[in-house]
Amino acid sequence: AQSVTQLGSHVSVSEGALVLLRCNYSSSVPPYLFWYVQYPNQGLQLLLKYTTGATLVKGINGFEAEFKKSETSFHLTKPSAHMSDAAEYFCAVSPLNYGGATNKLIFGTGTLLAVQP
Amino acid sequence: DTAVSQTPKYLVTQMGNDKSIKCEQNLGHDTMYWYKQDSKKFLKIMFSYNNKELIINETVPNRFSPKSPDKAHLNLHINSLELGDSAVYFCASSQEQGATEAFFGQGTRLTVV
Repeated sequence: AQSVTQLGSHVSVSEGALVLLRCNYSSSVPPYLFWYVQYPNQGLQLLLKYTTGATLVKGINGFEAEFKKSETSFHLTKPSAHMSDAAEYFCAVSPLNYGGATNKLIFGTGTLLAVQP
Repeated sequence: DTAVSQTPKYLVTQMGNDKSIKCEQNLGHDTMYWYKQDSKKFLKIMFSYNNKELIINETVPNRFSPKSPDKAHLNLHINSLELGDSAVYFCASSQEQGATEAFFGQGTRLTVV
């Protein structure tokens, strides 16, 4: 079964510091990959996604992620954290099979990002 | 002009009751979903519908019955509510099956007492 692992349920950084949120997936066929952000009492908002093509993808709010097939990873980074980045971040995969894309997202357990002044 | 809207936002009810959550999307998408987020924030898909047809049912108890009267609506009816049903339920939609982006509603926080 496909799964998503997010290392670190809580990450705390200082404002202006690098943000690195880790995500690894297990899949025999590289899936589509996503990062979603959830602000308190809100729904999920897509930050960025990887489907095909360039392995470094840029998203909203200055975030980017790199797909590394050899490491089965899709870590999320942002060069300089802002207070407004404090939220829960979810890595997700949309599994592919040899018939094409499937129809669901499998989420990691989430990483709560705290940004200290 | 909310893209995916759910009602109600909060729902508190007693064990054994039957309740419904409504979802509507105005994005013109063909596929809609229900996800459950438990108290540890873990998100798991429950159902997926494509053009009113059930595509995914992820071993959800049959007390949960989704209904899609048209492709813009996907409602969730829950019978005989149990304490363990307490969670946040998210509706989502995407352009088509296997689409690369899902748009989520604000969630419905269900508390069973």
